[in-house]
Amino acid sequence: AQTVTQSQPEMSVQEAETVTLSCTYDTSESDYYLFWYKQPPSRQMILVIRQEAYKQQNATENRFSVNFQKAAKSFSLKISDSQLGDAAMYFCAYRSPGGGADGLTFGKGTHLIIQP
Amino acid sequence: DSGVTQTPKHLITATGQRVTLRCSPRSGDLSVYWYQQSLDQGLQFLIQYYNGEERAKGNILERFSAQQFPDLHSELNLSSLELGDSALYFCASSVVVAGARSEQFFGPGTRLTVL
Repeated sequence: AQTVTQSQPEMSVQEAETVTLSCTYDTSESDYYLFWYKQPPSRQMILVIRQEAYKQQNATENRFSVNFQKAAKSFSLKISDSQLGDAAMYFCAYRSPGGGADGLTFGKGTHLIIQP
Repeated sequence: DSGVTQTPKHLITATGQRVTLRCSPRSGDLSVYWYQQSLDQGLQFLIQYYNGEERAKGNILERFSAQQFPDLHSELNLSSLELGDSALYFCASSVVVAGARSEQFFGPGTRLTVL
């Protein structure tokens, strides 16, 4: 079974600065998908960014980018120019590629605090 | 707004009771997933349905069951409720095409409190 580990229960960053959230995972599969989800106080789960394991290029979405290290099984999220609206729980998630026949495996989450 | 709807928003019930949570997927999505988010267990995948058929099972208790109806809405039935079943229950949906990636869109969740 796959496992996802987020070793930082809480992170704090000044507004406008850059922060990196860590995620490692364990799998025996060679192909898979990785995701970062954001959960603000409203509790809504919002997809931030995704990465296909077969792609060497790191995914980017505006101020959000990932550092995907397949050999190290590491998938960190970098948030540039942090904004107050980025304050939330961030979850790293793994999914097998089997045609969508598996649910997501989530890490425990990192609580991101933005200091004004 | 993800397009996935869940009802009710909140549910308060007593131990030993049975409840039903309802989910309507996004228009065109054939696959529905159920997740449980609790303080103890974090976010856990419970079960997946695809076009009316069970597709995958996660950490779902035997006291819990689900189904997906011909109109593609899904219901999660929780019975013999225990205090530890208090959690936020999410439904997610996706368009599933074999071999293709499929993003899961989450509903707003149902907050279940068992007293």
